[in-house]
Amino acid sequence: DTGVSQDPRHKITKRGQNVTFRCDPISEHNRLYWYRQTLGQGPEFLTYFQNEAQLEKSRLLSDRFSAERPKGSFSTLEIQRTEQGDSAMYLCASSLPGQSLYNEQFFGPGTRLTVL
Amino acid sequence: AQTVTQSQPEMSVQEAETVTLSCTYDTSESDYYLFWYKQPPSRQMILVIRQEAYKQQNATENRFSVNFQKAAKSFSLKISDSQLGDAAMYFCAYRRNEKLTFGTGTRLTIIP
Repeated sequence: DTGVSQDPRHKITKRGQNVTFRCDPISEHNRLYWYRQTLGQGPEFLTYFQNEAQLEKSRLLSDRFSAERPKGSFSTLEIQRTEQGDSAMYLCASSLPGQSLYNEQFFGPGTRLTVL
Repeated sequence: AQTVTQSQPEMSVQEAETVTLSCTYDTSESDYYLFWYKQPPSRQMILVIRQEAYKQQNATENRFSVNFQKAAKSFSLKISDSQLGDAAMYFCAYRRNEKLTFGTGTRLTIIP
């Protein structure tokens, strides 16, 4: 197992364009999380899935953002009509289910989005 | 809402010395988890150490240890015998239910 992977690693787009990112979690992990990290800040929670069900969404996730996990494996995060304020690192993490201290979230390398 | 505060944007330490990174948090809950994550430059975030709120004993992982003061809502990280590979951003994080709430991070520089 190679850990959480994200694609692409970098994305440059023009304002108003749509972008889609992909996250592949660790294979036995049924929980998947998306975070956004802007420069000089810690990651902020966006949303999470248990299997294919999206169980929580942050108010940061405006209606231009949509996340899916159609078969409970990989997930996509789409941003429509991108704005310069969307420029950030988008991090994906996965974990086993349950509240145990040892069900840690493993993070991927992130996708860095730059909106021109 | 829970908040996590890291008041030291940057810290530096001589190689082989000890450094302590500060973290405070605000919550009304009694049962939660606390973590320190390390984010090396251009590399992914990895877990350094974890602590369960109802356990009074401070967690230790090799050269890394915490000082958990529940009443003061303080969770500092001590790195002993600092090594060049410890250079990174360090984030303190709080978890209640599923989501992690992070602080703004402390950039640690190791001076050879």
